Amino acid sequence: EAGVAQSPRYKIIEKRQSVAFWCNPISGHATLYWYQQILGQGPKLLIQFQNNGVVDDSQLPKDRFSAERLKGVDSTLKIQPAKLEDSAVYLCASSFRDTEAFFGQGTRLTVV
Amino acid sequence: QKEVEQNSGPLSVPEGAIASLNCTYSDRGSQSFFWYRQYSGKSPELIMSIYSNGDKEDGRFTAQLNKASQYVSLLIRDSQPSDSATYLCAVNTGGNYQLIWGAGTKLIIKP
Repeated sequence: EAGVAQSPRYKIIEKRQSVAFWCNPISGHATLYWYQQILGQGPKLLIQFQNNGVVDDSQLPKDRFSAERLKGVDSTLKIQPAKLEDSAVYLCASSFRDTEAFFGQGTRLTVV
Repeated sequence: QKEVEQNSGPLSVPEGAIASLNCTYSDRGSQSFFWYRQYSGKSPELIMSIYSNGDKEDGRFTAQLNKASQYVSLLIRDSQPSDSATYLCAVNTGGNYQLIWGAGTKLIIKP
């Protein structure tokens, strides 16, 4: 069974530029999570989708971050414009209902 | 505010000893509980899931759940240097399958 796919693995951008991350969850997993993880901290939920509907985006900085999940499968997370404090690892995970979540390899973003 | 609490550590354990990691949660309605291991620079990796009170064993790992006291623990027997990592506790609060995460405990196994 294929795992969660994410791209790119690494991205370096200048502040005020835009960036997009892509995630393809495990087949059949209706729940998709985007997390931001800063070094030394636990994952911080940015947005959770159930199929193509948003369940929780309370911690998503909506003035600069946006996310969509087309047709309830792939998802894209965008940052525009990026700030220095957005430097972090962005993790995508998926799960089947209330079972365990599986993570992709993450995207390490550096904003300079 | 639903919360999951973990001691940040670091927790230092001699090789071959038992490492004990603890996690408490605030939502009594929580149904599913997970332990993840995260190596530096890597994504979290699922180690154990537990859904009912009691112990669940998988190799050198044992998860323990006590819903009355609202805690879940992870025991690692015969600790190895390769077990050195950050261990994250996650709790599913039901409803919309929201996962609440602890900040993680850094475990160091000393040879």
